[in-house]
Amino acid sequence: DAGVIQSPRHEVTEMGQEVTLRCKPISGHNSLFWYRQTMMRGLELLIYFNNNVPIDDSGMPEDRFSAKMPNASFSTLKIQPSEPRDSAVYFCASSRTGGTEAFFGQGTRLTVV
Amino acid sequence: KNEVEQSPQNLTAQEGEFITINCSYSVGISALHWLQQHPGGGIVSLFMLSSGKKKHGRLIATINIQEKHSSLHITASHPRDSAVYICAVIGSNYQLIWGAGTKLIIKP
Repeated sequence: DAGVIQSPRHEVTEMGQEVTLRCKPISGHNSLFWYRQTMMRGLELLIYFNNNVPIDDSGMPEDRFSAKMPNASFSTLKIQPSEPRDSAVYFCASSRTGGTEAFFGQGTRLTVV
Repeated sequence: KNEVEQSPQNLTAQEGEFITINCSYSVGISALHWLQQHPGGGIVSLFMLSSGKKKHGRLIATINIQEKHSSLHITASHPRDSAVYICAVIGSNYQLIWGAGTKLIIKP
């Protein structure tokens, strides 16, 4: 298995632009997590999906952030409009529900200038 | 031996009691999660810790990196705190490893 696949690996965009981050979870995993990592705040859980349904989005910082999971093999995290303070590494992770391990993608490094 | 161990596995207490749930881990970590799962199945992230202590309302979480140990405390417990509490660590390989959970029941 290729593991959790995120794209793009790097994204540089101007303030105000829309940014879409993509994630393909491991086949057969039905839980998906979006995390954000910054030097200041460490690793933060943004949203958690189970069977494509958002279960907990209390970590989403504000309305500019939205996440979707239209099917079991794809999820997006969208920021519109983007701001410089959104610059971070965004990780996607997947697991089996009830399992004891989750696997992370390699992350998307977002820079908003 | 599991890499993340929680204790106790089950805990029943009276409303108002001070609750402590413990988590010990044996791997190197970059962060530790405390999660709450209600009987309906939804999981809520309570805390993410990499050092020290965090407080949110009646909930307090502490972590001792040297001892590889974390505790979750609930002050003035209430029946609505009844849930399964899960400790999960983010390992050095970016794996998220869960403990088995602690089932907490708070009786009125």
